[in-house]
Order: sequence, then structure tokens, then C-alpha cells
Amino acid sequence: EPEVTQTPSHQVTQMGQEVILRCVPISNHLYFYWYRQILGQKVEFLVSFYNNEISEKSEIFDDQFSVERPDGSNFTLKIRSTKLEDSAMYFCASTSGLVADTQYFGPGTRLTVL
Amino acid sequence: AQSVTQLDSQVPVFEEAPVELRCNYSSSVSVYLFWYVQYPNQGLQLLLKYLSGSTLVKGINGFEAEFNKSQTSFHLRKPSVHISDTAEYFCAVREIRRNQFYFGTGTSLTVIP
Repeated sequence: EPEVTQTPSHQVTQMGQEVILRCVPISNHLYFYWYRQILGQKVEFLVSFYNNEISEKSEIFDDQFSVERPDGSNFTLKIRSTKLEDSAMYFCASTSGLVADTQYFGPGTRLTVL
Repeated sequence: AQSVTQLDSQVPVFEEAPVELRCNYSSSVSVYLFWYVQYPNQGLQLLLKYLSGSTLVKGINGFEAEFNKSQTSFHLRKPSVHISDTAEYFCAVREIRRNQFYFGTGTSLTVIP
């Protein structure tokens, strides 16, 4: 069964550094999402992406965040200058269509900012 | 904006007993409703979803949920739980015309042998 993959599984970085989290959505999917889950808290929507542009973003997704689909397979989340509070699990998800299609989630990247 | 409330943060239940995980939402517009399960160190997996039609929806692993519009609830139920059902369960909503999902804080289900 096709699946969403994410790399790395764990990223440790120093405060102020830039990080790029990578995701490979399911190949025929068109809509892509990033979520974060701070330890012990709920899953929070960050951004949705379709047709090479952001379709929705939450108030969490400020100027330090950006997303990109640099080629036909990868979908990346960049955090420009990491803060301690960015430490969380980041999940990527994809769907084939828009009408409440099933979201397929990747296993997540655990980001630790020191 | 939408909000999702999962009233129970932790639910312990004995094996083969029934369980209900509660979810309430607030929204001024029509929404789609979802339940996801998260096993340790894994991503979220869809259990079931309500889009329209019958208010009782059945999902994987023997779970079902009932949409109650008047009470703005979407409670998840299983008549007989197994050890393997031990996991975190998240309720989520999405406005029909938007592509943004809102999750609840999750309910940790622990099945006791």
C-alpha cells in the first residue's frame, strides 16, 4: 500500500538555525499538508498546499515558516530561525482530492530545538 | 473558527468491555467530521469519517460513530475492545468549503487485560 514518508525521523538543531523537513507524499495525490504536535498536546494544522501554492494556513504558520514542492515528489517545510517552542513532532499528510478525501499521514519528524 | 472538544483525556477500560470516546465541536457552518487513531511512534490513521447521509458511520477495527447535529457531537464507540486498541484517538473537523482541519486534544485509550 502506498504511504507518505518523512525524513529525517529525528532532527536536533540549535536555536536560531534553519531546518528543512522533508516529505514524500503518495505519488498521485494533489493536496499536501503540514501539522505539528507539541509533546502531550493536540495536533495543530499548519498549512495546506495545492497546485504549487498555499491554499490555507493557520496563525501558527508565520513568516518563519515556508513550504515548497521543489520537484515532482518532495514537499518540504522550512523553519528559518528555530525557536525552543518549535520543538514538536511534525506530520506531513496528503490527499488525492479535496472533498474530505482520506488524509494519509506520514510517521512524523521529531524536531528538537536546543 | 472551529473548535473540537474531547472531554476525556484518558479512558481506561477492561478488555472486551464497550467504550465510548466523546467528541463535541462548535461551528457556525457545515462540517465534515473525522476520527483518527495514533499508535505509539506512528502517524495518524483514519478510523472513520462523516460526510453526509446516515448519521451512524462505521469504520475500521470495529469502531463506529454517530453524528448528532443538535448536540454537535460525534462520539466514537466500540462494543468490545481489544488490547490492540490501546492508542491515542483524535476527533477532527473540517469546514465543507475549506481545506483546514481542526483536531481535538486527544483521548488516550488504555485497554486493561
